[in-house]
Amino acid sequence: GNSVTQMEGPVTLSEEAFLTINCTYTATGYPSLFWYVQYPGEGLQLLLKATKADDKGSNKGFEATYRKETTSFHLEKGSVQVSDSAVYFCALSNYNAGNMLTFGGGTRLMVKP
Amino acid sequence: DTGVSQDPRHKITKRGQNVTFRCDPISEHNRLYWYRQTLGQGPEFLTYFQNEAQLEKSRLLSDRFSAERPKGSFSTLEIQRTEQGDSAMYLCASSLGQGAYTGELFFGEGSRLTVL
Repeated sequence: GNSVTQMEGPVTLSEEAFLTINCTYTATGYPSLFWYVQYPGEGLQLLLKATKADDKGSNKGFEATYRKETTSFHLEKGSVQVSDSAVYFCALSNYNAGNMLTFGGGTRLMVKP
Repeated sequence: DTGVSQDPRHKITKRGQNVTFRCDPISEHNRLYWYRQTLGQGPEFLTYFQNEAQLEKSRLLSDRFSAERPKGSFSTLEIQRTEQGDSAMYLCASSLGQGAYTGELFFGEGSRLTVL
């Protein structure tokens, strides 16, 4: 079956620090990979995605590269801001599984000024 | 606002009572999903609909849970004889499917259930 494992949080960084949140997956076939973000008091929203191997998803300064050889999709940002404080979820979906999302457990990021 | 909306946002009930949640998806989306999220965990899939057809149900969805999408638009999730273990955030999401697949789900803000 499909599963996603991501690093446990919380991750606490100072503003302008470099961020990496690790994500690895297990899946059949060729899944699409996603990072979703949940800001305090808001619903989950898509941050970025990659649909095939070696694709790089990017948005709002965040990047993640689909690495099929290591089954990974690590999230990175070069310089975090206080406004990036949120919970980040790595997820995958398979088209032949109704494009349901399988989520990791989430990583809370806290950025201090 | 044309996003996914859920109602009520918060429901407090006593053990043994029935509760119902409603989800209104984005109007042109033909797929609708229900997820459950407990504190500190990622969302877990419960069930999904393609138009009015319920195509898959998770083993997490016990017999006390029932979901409907009668006209292929809004959906309801009913929990009968609630238990304290049902306390969670119930998330609804919608997406396009069947030829318009993007893999992106649009989530509502959730309905938080507290069972006393």
